[in-house]
Amino acid sequence: KAGVTQTPRYLIKTRGQQVTLSCSPISGHRSVSWYQQTPGQGLQFLFEYFSETQRNKGNFPGRFSGRQFSNSRSEMNVSTLELGDSALYLCASSLMSSGNEKLFFGSGTQLSVL
Amino acid sequence: AQRVTQPEKLLSVFKGAPVELKCNYSYSGSPELFWYVQYSRQRLQLLLRHISRESIKGFTADLNKGETSFHLKKPFAQEEDSAMYYCALGGMGNTDKLIFGTGTRLQVFP
Repeated sequence: KAGVTQTPRYLIKTRGQQVTLSCSPISGHRSVSWYQQTPGQGLQFLFEYFSETQRNKGNFPGRFSGRQFSNSRSEMNVSTLELGDSALYLCASSLMSSGNEKLFFGSGTQLSVL
Repeated sequence: AQRVTQPEKLLSVFKGAPVELKCNYSYSGSPELFWYVQYSRQRLQLLLRHISRESIKGFTADLNKGETSFHLKKPFAQEEDSAMYYCALGGMGNTDKLIFGTGTRLQVFP
């Protein structure tokens, strides 16, 4: 079974641009959640999608958005990039999003904002 | 507010020594606690969760609701245990949202 796949692996953008990151969950998994990882703040929850609906959202500005497609693949978008958005963005998937499930993480997309 | 605290950024031990990675949480509801591990150049993966009450790679963790702790223990550390360990709090309803601690890097010397 293929693991969680995130593309692209690396991205370099400049301030003010926007970016779209993609995540393909494990086959059969319906829940996809996104996390931002930085050296200063650690791992922070961005949002979660289940069956194409946003189920939960973290404390991030509206510039961060996401969506999930009918095949469970998910994208997250960051508009008007700021230097502080430089981070590793991790995607995780699970079967049912029940609160105590094992999350399977992707390798992440390393975003650098110049 | 929900919070997870891992007081040690770095824990260094010699092979064969006991290991205890500390984790304390703050949550008014019924918590689900997890330990995730990231080995060098590998993705973040689940090590164990309290609901399973299992021992993985010799590691155990007991949820102590009175002390709001979920410390990770192993009686005899191995070099291959060197990694970054994250404690995480979930169980906040039907959601995969996890609150992560800042992580503890475990170094096991030969």
